[in-house]
Amino acid sequence: EVQLVESGGGLVQPGGSLRLSCVASGFTFSDYWMHWVRQAPGKGLVWVSRSNYDGSSTSYADSVKGRFIISRDNAKNTLHLQMNSLRVEDTAVYYCARGSVRTVFFEYWGQGTLVTVTS
Amino acid sequence: SYVLTQPPSVSVAPGQTARITCGGNNIGSKGVHWYQQKPGQAPVLVVYDDSDRPSGIPERFSGSKSGSAATLSISRVEAGDEADYYCQVWDGSSDHWVFGGGTRLTVL
Repeated sequence: EVQLVESGGGLVQPGGSLRLSCVASGFTFSDYWMHWVRQAPGKGLVWVSRSNYDGSSTSYADSVKGRFIISRDNAKNTLHLQMNSLRVEDTAVYYCARGSVRTVFFEYWGQGTLVTVTS
Repeated sequence: SYVLTQPPSVSVAPGQTARITCGGNNIGSKGVHWYQQKPGQAPVLVVYDDSDRPSGIPERFSGSKSGSAATLSISRVEAGDEADYYCQVWDGSSDHWVFGGGTRLTVL
């Protein structure tokens, strides 16, 4: 059974940093692209970032580019999102999602971790 | 950046068919995928590549695409189908994954 478990969310002040983690199980982690998707309270889904199989290629939404860094540790089946220079508008539930074999959609999702940026 | 447009809400009586549309420029050239999200839960993939269903998703859920819009159809709607539904595509020109704004399905 595929499982994705996020952690690391919490309360942080504007300008601060936070590191999210997603531990994967039930599949060969290094065979799949991985993503972060977020959802602000009461709002829709927004794609944030993706990593290819080994982290050598990444992509970011314009709203987080230059502030967030996605990385992965295939030996530990873990995906990370380092979030720097956080803004109030980054407040959201952050989901870890596994890409499909053809990489174009999201086959499995974690339960999410809440990040709240407030002074 | 690429934009997908969905109606904010759709209402349907139990047993009827709900249709949720997703429009975008040149959407015919892109694979469209659909997710269901119930309150307090993570999204679940219900249709991929325009019209394919993952294992475990009821046949009542189907997808189609014509012209400038894709459509998610849910036949014989049940109270348990009440949820938010999102369409999604991959925009190859920007290497970004794009979601529609979401449609809340209400079962009357």
